[in-house]
Amino acid sequence: SQKIEQNSEALNIQEGKTATLTCNYTNYSPAYLQWYRQDPGRGPVFLLLIRENEKEKRKERLKVTFDTTLKQSLFHITASQPADSATYLCALYNQGGKLIFGQGTELSVKP
Amino acid sequence: KAGVTQTPRYLIKTRGQQVTLSCSPISGHRSVSWYQQTPGQGLQFLFEYFSETQRNKGNFPGRFSGRQFSNSRSEMNVSTLELGDSALYLCASSLGAAGPETQYFGPGTRLLVL
Repeated sequence: SQKIEQNSEALNIQEGKTATLTCNYTNYSPAYLQWYRQDPGRGPVFLLLIRENEKEKRKERLKVTFDTTLKQSLFHITASQPADSATYLCALYNQGGKLIFGQGTELSVKP
Repeated sequence: KAGVTQTPRYLIKTRGQQVTLSCSPISGHRSVSWYQQTPGQGLQFLFEYFSETQRNKGNFPGRFSGRQFSNSRSEMNVSTLELGDSALYLCASSLGAAGPETQYFGPGTRLLVL
């Protein structure tokens, strides 16, 4: 079955640095992949969607890459701020049409 | 536009009881999906409803069921509660069109089973 793996260890970085989060998937070749942000006690909030033919997508300080050969997506936050501290989830539609999520990576940006 | 709302926000039940959770989607959205989130398993897909029909189902036992009404509001029911059902239950709504869609999540219902 399709599986998504995100780095389960929390990522701690200094304000102003670039945060890079990884999402790897197996047993499937999705046509698109999504990234969400989740704050404690809240539901996830959609950030970006990238299609397999786009390779890279940007939105303000966010950048997502999609490498279908490596079966990997990277999520970057440039000039990170303490307000970026949250858990970031990647998600893809599996062959059955269900949206499945990775476990998420907790990001902590220290001032 | 009002966001997705879920009621109740918090719930405490005992083993063996049943529970019903409610979700009101964003106006105009016809698809409602339900997810269970636990620290160990993360976000797991329960089921999706579109136009009052279950369109997709995850790998959960039959104790978990749902329905959708003609106004797109959805309910989820869990019968014979077990301790392991303690979780944050999230619903998400979308337009329901074919292809990738943004899922708009509600704040969740936190269920504690004692």
